[in-house]
Amino acid sequence: QKEVEQNSGPLSVPEGAIASLNCTYSDRGSQSFFWYRQYSGKSPELIMSIYSNGDKEDGRFTAQLNKASQYVSLLIRDSQPSDSATYLCAADTGGFKTIFGAGTRLFVKA
Amino acid sequence: NAGVTQTPKFQVLKTGQSMTLQCAQDMNHNSMYWYRQDPGMGLRLIYYSASEGTTDKGEVPNGYNVSRLNKREFSLRLESAAPSQTSVYFCASSDRTYYEQYFGPGTRLTVT
Repeated sequence: QKEVEQNSGPLSVPEGAIASLNCTYSDRGSQSFFWYRQYSGKSPELIMSIYSNGDKEDGRFTAQLNKASQYVSLLIRDSQPSDSATYLCAADTGGFKTIFGAGTRLFVKA
Repeated sequence: NAGVTQTPKFQVLKTGQSMTLQCAQDMNHNSMYWYRQDPGMGLRLIYYSASEGTTDKGEVPNGYNVSRLNKREFSLRLESAAPSQTSVYFCASSDRTYYEQYFGPGTRLTVT
């Protein structure tokens, strides 16, 4: 069974701090990895995609991928209360299928 | 540019009733997907359509059928609703090459 594992949280950080969200995946054949943000009662929104080992930065967000360790992370710098949401990690399994983790709830305290 | 739209937003059904969830996208994407999301279980793929004219089962297809009506529209049908199908249903679409998926607002379905 191909899986994507995330700590369900909640992860609580103070405003202005760095939030670190982590994810592991089981399928060594996965090539594409995604982070989605989901506010309560809303649909998932794509915030980052990463395909190569290393770091990818987009504004306050940095995605990190280590295929040898089968590990993906998302760092949110200068966390804001508006970043409070559930963050879903996802990995492709080939053939148009994507496996989603159950998500990590992030709470940013003002 | 509306992105991905879904109708209805909310629905209550009695056990055994049928209904169709509608989804449309205006991003000229080739691939479309139907997911259900239940508390603590994340998103689970019900069916997907890699391109117009094709559909395939996902992780949890039992009790559902789909139709890829054209490139824009992908519908999900519940023939005989069961309480276990109470969930939030999301439609998504993607450009085939990158697999980045864009989601509709969801349908909250309750089966009593």
